[in-house]
Amino acid sequence: DIQMTQSPSSLSASVGDRVTITCQASQDIGIYLNWYQQKPGKAPQLLIYSASFLEAGVPSRFSGSGSATDFTFTISSLQPEDIATYYCQQYENLRTFGQGTKVEVK
Amino acid sequence: QVQLVQSGAELKKPGASVTISCKASGYTFTDSYLHWVRQAPGQELEWVGWIDPTNGGTEYAQNFRGRVTMTRDTSISSAYMELRALKSDDAAVYFCVREDHRFSMDVWGQGTTVIVSS
Repeated sequence: DIQMTQSPSSLSASVGDRVTITCQASQDIGIYLNWYQQKPGKAPQLLIYSASFLEAGVPSRFSGSGSATDFTFTISSLQPEDIATYYCQQYENLRTFGQGTKVEVK
Repeated sequence: QVQLVQSGAELKKPGASVTISCKASGYTFTDSYLHWVRQAPGQELEWVGWIDPTNGGTEYAQNFRGRVTMTRDTSISSAYMELRALKSDDAAVYFCVREDHRFSMDVWGQGTTVIVSS
């Protein structure tokens, strides 16, 4: 099975800060990676698909990049409503989620 | 609008089985795979498996093989997940999720809470 390792597991940043989360796959997955946001008590929501494509309706401050085994998710300017847990997910072989990164505001 | 509506919360004893349903609406049921994803309290998302509504084909995560069965009824646009031999660490919220043509999980059900307690 493909393992997905996210880091950090949590972070605290100020409103307006640039936030970066990384996701590493245990083997080459090409660009077969999605990113989701989950707010407490809610189902996850798709933000980025195929590593770098922004889902319709998602603010442009969210972005993704990477390929093969190393991926990055960025919030260019953190907003209060971005407080959530973020997950990467591979679909190259079956499906696997990363462990999640909890983003908090300082 | 596209929607997945799941059955209600379940309380089960260890060793029992649970079946959760997921009714799709707003799109052609056989056009998209349906996945099941679970989340234990305070924990990460865990993929359980998928079903292809077109032919009933399934694929399960290694951790669940032998204990889970996914089925569907195309006449009522519904999918089902049965999990057997429940243990305390099966207590979680279980989501059914549509995967679209981009292989993205774009529509999520509201989640079904399963409690396992004697």
